[in-house]
Amino acid sequence: DAKTTQPTSMDCAEGRAANLPCNHSTISGNEYVYWYRQIHSQGPQYIIHGLKNNETNEMASLIITEDRKSSTLILPHATLRDTAVYYCIVGLGANNLFFGTGTRLTVIP
Amino acid sequence: EAGVTQFPSHSVIEKGQTVTLRCDPISGHDNLYWYRRVMGKEIKFLLHFVKESKQDESGMPNNRFLAERTGGTYSTLKVQPAELEDSGVYFCASSQEWIAERNEQFFGPGTRLTVL
Repeated sequence: DAKTTQPTSMDCAEGRAANLPCNHSTISGNEYVYWYRQIHSQGPQYIIHGLKNNETNEMASLIITEDRKSSTLILPHATLRDTAVYYCIVGLGANNLFFGTGTRLTVIP
Repeated sequence: EAGVTQFPSHSVIEKGQTVTLRCDPISGHDNLYWYRRVMGKEIKFLLHFVKESKQDESGMPNNRFLAERTGGTYSTLKVQPAELEDSGVYFCASSQEWIAERNEQFFGPGTRLTVL
């Protein structure tokens, strides 16, 4: 079922930008890229999603390559509260989300 | 606005017993999803309701699991009889739209189920 590849873990210094990569080389033309995160012991939290264009909201920015085979989630100024597991999910989104193993981001003081 | 709520937050039962988990979605959300994470594994989809109808139940592991959403509001997930491998965290999510470009799913805090 895995359609995405993410690094297992990453560290980021507090206040710096966190750039989380995701490869999705088999993405089809109508599939979206979604990012969710799970902070310890909480339910997953939606962050952002996109189809072709780069997207930005109050939480993060999503950069999607022109061929759509990879993307990067950017947290512009990481805080300690951003420590979480980040999931890059590809799909039509209307149905189920396939979470995979995600990237464990640790923000270091 | 209240988020997705789940009850109970924690349940400890013995193998062979029955447990019913409840999910209250965000008011007005027609779409309701159940997911679970069993020990050491990834979060897995169980099923999806649109109002009171089961849109997709392809993730339900076996017939010991029964999900209902009578009236299209809250949903229950019953496990009968519970087995040891059912232990894990059960998440519920809801969304307003059923179109990909606006399908932000809001998750509840989960119910931690322990089967002894």
